[in-house]
Amino acid sequence: QQQVKQSPQSLIVQKGGISIINCAYENTAFDYFPWYQQFPGKGPALLIAIRPDVSEKKEGRFTISFNKSAKQFSLHIMDSQPGDSATYFCAASMNRSFQKLVFGTGTRLLVSP
Amino acid sequence: SAVISQKPSRDICQRGTSLTIQCQVDSQVTMMFWYRQQPGQSLTLIATANQGSEATYESGFVIDKFPISRPNLTFSTLTVSNMSPEDSSIYLCSVGLPGSGIGYNEQFFGPGTRLTVL
Repeated sequence: QQQVKQSPQSLIVQKGGISIINCAYENTAFDYFPWYQQFPGKGPALLIAIRPDVSEKKEGRFTISFNKSAKQFSLHIMDSQPGDSATYFCAASMNRSFQKLVFGTGTRLLVSP
Repeated sequence: SAVISQKPSRDICQRGTSLTIQCQVDSQVTMMFWYRQQPGQSLTLIATANQGSEATYESGFVIDKFPISRPNLTFSTLTVSNMSPEDSSIYLCSVGLPGSGIGYNEQFFGPGTRLTVL
């Protein structure tokens, strides 16, 4: 019940296209859903995060869509660029008591020029 | 956010030895975390290290293997003891800070320590 399932495992998108990464969770006590971006040889960087009382959050080209009833959330990268090529991790936690982050398995995104 | 540094950035060690990884933060933080990321894999929490209390270890991780110190609000160490090739991973520290806009605490990661055990 602590798992966060992430798909796809890898994704190839053409420059200018939309990248979509999906995550699903079981634990309804989760109330904080961040996305991290990790480049090779670097630590994960917090990209964007959402709370379950909001259905969508947009920051620049990055959008989180959240479906509480389906227990799913997704990351959309609009106008994908080669510089977006990285591994993306979704995560979840019971943030009010600052419980640990449970990470998805990661999606390796390659944006072709 | 916070500026987090780790030392060493990478190391190659012999089986049976121990390595201590340092994590330094540029501001005082209560919550620090240590994660392991095996090659090409996701992140797994090893332990939570809050200043002033004993570290709390996750299932599958024990203090004898991964002793942690947290002497003050800006520094922590993780030791990987009696290493074997299976300990070859990236070890990451992270800190919890009040979020900038979401109203929740957010977690920020250091650059990681890449450990290879021969």
